[in-house]
Amino acid sequence: KAGVTQTPRYLIKTRGQQVTLSCSPISGHRSVSWYQQTPGQGLQFLFEYFSETQRNKGNFPGRFSGRQFSNSRSEMNVSTLELGDSALYLCASSGVYNEQFFGPGTRLTVL
Amino acid sequence: DAKTTQPTSMDCAEGRAANLPCNHSTISGNEYVYWYRQIHSQGPQYIIHGLKNNETNEMASLIITEDRKSSTLILPHATLRDTAVYYCIVRVAITNAGKSTFGDGTTLTVKP
Repeated sequence: KAGVTQTPRYLIKTRGQQVTLSCSPISGHRSVSWYQQTPGQGLQFLFEYFSETQRNKGNFPGRFSGRQFSNSRSEMNVSTLELGDSALYLCASSGVYNEQFFGPGTRLTVL
Repeated sequence: DAKTTQPTSMDCAEGRAANLPCNHSTISGNEYVYWYRQIHSQGPQYIIHGLKNNETNEMASLIITEDRKSSTLILPHATLRDTAVYYCIVRVAITNAGKSTFGDGTTLTVKP
């Protein structure tokens, strides 16, 4: 089975811009979760989508949003980028026992 | 999700078994123990999970104490490529399904 894929792998944006990241889960997985990883805060949960509905949400501002399509692919969007949004954004899809399989991540740099 | 406590760092000689402990004294009956690892700048990798029985797969073994208050991840023959941060997570498998709370983990360094 192919693993979780994320595009793009690297992204450079400037403050105030918006960005959209994409995630394709493992075939058959219906849950997709997003995490932000920074050196200072570690791995933090953003949100989770299941069958096109947001099922769980972390403690992030409304600038962070996401959606899931009928084929389980997911996108997350960050609007009005801030310097502090520079991070590795990770997507994971969940297996039968909700073990999570992560993609390689998108490295976002905000200048 | 129950809180977990892991040592900050550990060393292991190449070829020897690496035993990574995790304390989860407040674990409840329906919470699973999951282990992940993250090699520098890569996405975390799922290793193994268990409820109360010991588990083994091609990567590692998971030993859970009878009272379920602690567990040990065992890498039987550590290699340099096993150098990574290892995370122990405890959560209910069904509720908060896609949400894992990652702590600081244990940095395992495998030395030649």
